[in-house]
Amino acid sequence: GEDVEQSLFLSVREGDSSVINCTYTDSSSTYLYWYKQEPGAGLQLLTYIFSNMDMKQDQRLTVLLNKKDKHLSLRIADTQTGDSAIYFCAESSGLNYGQNFVFGPGTRLSVLP
Amino acid sequence: EADIYQTPRYLVIGTGKKITLECSQTMGHDKMYWYQQDPGMELHLIHYSYGVNSTEKGDLSSESTVSRIRTEHFPLTLESARPSHTSQYLCASSEWSPDRDGYTFGSGTRLTVV
Repeated sequence: GEDVEQSLFLSVREGDSSVINCTYTDSSSTYLYWYKQEPGAGLQLLTYIFSNMDMKQDQRLTVLLNKKDKHLSLRIADTQTGDSAIYFCAESSGLNYGQNFVFGPGTRLSVLP
Repeated sequence: EADIYQTPRYLVIGTGKKITLECSQTMGHDKMYWYQQDPGMELHLIHYSYGVNSTEKGDLSSESTVSRIRTEHFPLTLESARPSHTSQYLCASSEWSPDRDGYTFGSGTRLTVV
């Protein structure tokens, strides 16, 4: 089946940029998403990118998509302690309407003061 | 403001008890999902539904059952709780086709079986 991979842990210093990477296998992906999960909470949609886009910027967040390599990244500029959370990459395919999303295993971001 | 609600938020219950975790959404979404999330973070899809009277088993085998009698309601039931059921349970919903809104998640129910 389709698969989404992420590195499990990332530590950065406050004020630095964080880059969280994700690779996926489904070449028919239409939307790719980044979700944030804070401790004890559900997942919150941070941003998405449509598959015909290379880049999307939203305030401190920049999403880069390399469709050829099936690689997605999330860059958080000026990382703050409030950004400490688990970040999930997810993809969906438009070819099979009703097909469920595939989530990565999550990257735990720790922001050090 | 949350459009998908899970109750209870926390539950501690004894082995052998029957429990129902509630999930309701107000967005009129056709699809609903239950995920189990262990401390290792990874999400495991245990049940999903395409709409009323539709229930499907997910990727991870689970002893729980679900029902979908109304569009907005997707409860999960454990007939006889065991310590191995201790976990965080997340409910989500979505439109039928993938779109920019993705999945909307509830806040989760953290279940502890003692």
